[in-house]
Amino acid sequence: EADIYQTPRYLVIGTGKKITLECSQTMGHDKMYWYQQDPGMELHLIHYSYGVNSTEKGDLSSESTVSRIRTEHFPLTLESARPSHTSQYLCASKGTDYGYTFGSGTRLTVV
Amino acid sequence: GDSVTQMEGPVTLSEEAFLTINCTYTATGYPSLFWYVQYPGEGLQLLLKATKADDKGSNKGFEATYRKETTSFHLEKGSVQVSDSAVYFCALRRNSGGYQKVTFGTGTKLQVIP
Repeated sequence: EADIYQTPRYLVIGTGKKITLECSQTMGHDKMYWYQQDPGMELHLIHYSYGVNSTEKGDLSSESTVSRIRTEHFPLTLESARPSHTSQYLCASKGTDYGYTFGSGTRLTVV
Repeated sequence: GDSVTQMEGPVTLSEEAFLTINCTYTATGYPSLFWYVQYPGEGLQLLLKATKADDKGSNKGFEATYRKETTSFHLEKGSVQVSDSAVYFCALRRNSGGYQKVTFGTGTKLQVIP
């Protein structure tokens, strides 16, 4: 059973719409991450957070924003979706052990 | 900067064949090394890890040995099954400036045919 949840799994939305991708984890992890996975399957870090009220941009420039008001919740928002935002978005968290726990992903299509 | 290089896929094998997916890395210091697996339509799952040189990670019949002298962490399995069809990511994690930086390889798609 997954301890990190992403919703929705699939989303098709029109250009210019504002959308929020949800990510929640029940493990009490301080560290959370958003990755964008391109069609070639490569992963790019777009945002991360090391705790409440802490957010940083990752390696890949992104027009999205994130917030971390609660430990368990790390939503990602696109103010105005564009076709170039079409991708798979993966949320992950990390506790004190070594590995990441990933959500199942949100596959976003902007038309 | 840090980098992880994986063999390009897709890799297509018959069931019960021997699997090797090569992974080499470039990093300063002493990174920890990981293999993640992504099944179709799912997120990534940690498959195995090794935290220091000569460590061997193993899980579900998969193995990988941390070879510092060759900067490699090749994934192996003696007999693959159709259910092993997935994308496999090699990754390293290193402490950098007070935080932990993770670098993923580009992924290798494995297709196992009956």
